[in-house]
Parts: sequence; structure tokens; C-alpha cells
Amino acid sequence: GQNIDQPTEMTATEGAIVQINCTYQTSGFNGLFWYQQHAGEAPTFLSYNVLDGLEEKGRFSSFLSRSKGYSYLLLKELQMKDSASYLCAVRDADSWGKLQFGAGTQVVVTP
Amino acid sequence: DADVTQTPRNRITKTGKRIMLECSQTKGHDRMYWYRQDPGLGLRLIYYSFDVKDINKGEISDGYSVSRQAQAKFSLSLESAIPNQTALYFCATSDTLAGATDTQYFGPGTRLTVL
Repeated sequence: GQNIDQPTEMTATEGAIVQINCTYQTSGFNGLFWYQQHAGEAPTFLSYNVLDGLEEKGRFSSFLSRSKGYSYLLLKELQMKDSASYLCAVRDADSWGKLQFGAGTQVVVTP
Repeated sequence: DADVTQTPRNRITKTGKRIMLECSQTKGHDRMYWYRQDPGLGLRLIYYSFDVKDINKGEISDGYSVSRQAQAKFSLSLESAIPNQTALYFCATSDTLAGATDTQYFGPGTRLTVL
């Protein structure tokens, strides 16, 4: 199984940058996902990392270091609509596609 | 139209009642999943199915059962609902033919309250 840790809440100002960290422990790593979830809505897929390095998608980037069991999601040029919970999820090599989710990081964007 | 739909979207029921939550998908995915979400606990896997003939328990399957009626349909049942099953329930799908990513896509959720 995995232990997945991410901060509970972060606050940032509109236009700023926020970095959400995720650390994990797993017996055999096979991919890490980031999802965005607005209150009461479905999680929506943001990014996937399986190799070390940075994946960039517009204002959002995700980084992975497998040796450190560490990932971060970087949100640039924050907008009010980015206020949401961000979920880190890890798939291990033995889980046949199953994901283990962290509890989520609530990002609050202020004017 | 939404690719993954769940019915009902909201349900209030009483302790001891049998409840069925339904999930349908038009994505053509082979894998389907049921999760529950509680505040501060994140998403937890209840059951998953990799095809119509394959059903597997997740980490919190006690008190739940499932049925995969067709590739596109996956139902979750609470045989005798209890208050601690009050939660937000999500169905998800993924496609093993889409390469190694196997990304999961979620339905809109069902908010279940057991009194």
C-alpha cells in the first residue's frame, strides 16, 4: 500500500504562484496523478507523471522525483476559479490500475 | 451529454433500507470503479471491475455489494444502510486500451444521507 501526504490547505493571491507538494511511500511505483475537485463536484484529471521530471500543461505543471517519493503541482497565474481541492493519487506496480488518493489540498485564492 | 452518469444525484434514506446507486458510461471503457469520499479522508475505493466477469473488493467493501450488468453499467448496493455510510459516492472509469496511462474519469457523484 501507499502513504500519501499533502498539505491540508494553502492560500494564495490571484495572479500568484502556488506549489502543492505530495510525498508518497509505495512498494513499486507505477504513476502519479493530479486531479482538481471543486466543492461537491467530480474530480477532474489534471496531469500524469510516471518518469522523473516536469510535465507542463498551460498554467499547470507537475513534477516527479521517484527516488525521493515526491511530486508537486505548480499553479501559475492563479485565478479565482482555481480555488478547489487538489488530489494527489499514486498507482503502484502491483495494484492493477487501482489508485491510492491523498486527502487533498484545499487551495483558496484571494483577490 | 456526460460520458459518466450517476443516478440518483442525491438520496436521503433511513437506517436499514436497501439502496442502489447506478453508474453508466458512454466512454467505452472496460474498467469501472466505485469510491466514497468523506471530509478529510479523500477518496477510498469500495469495489472495482476490470470487465463484466471481473469484480474485486477495494479497501472498504464491507456493507456494500456491486453488479456489473454490462460493460457500460456498474451498480453499487447498500443492503442495509447505516448512518456511517453517509458520504459522497463517485463512479469512475478507465481504459486499458488507451496506453499505459489508464487515467480514471469520474462521474458527477451521488450524495447519500442515511438517517
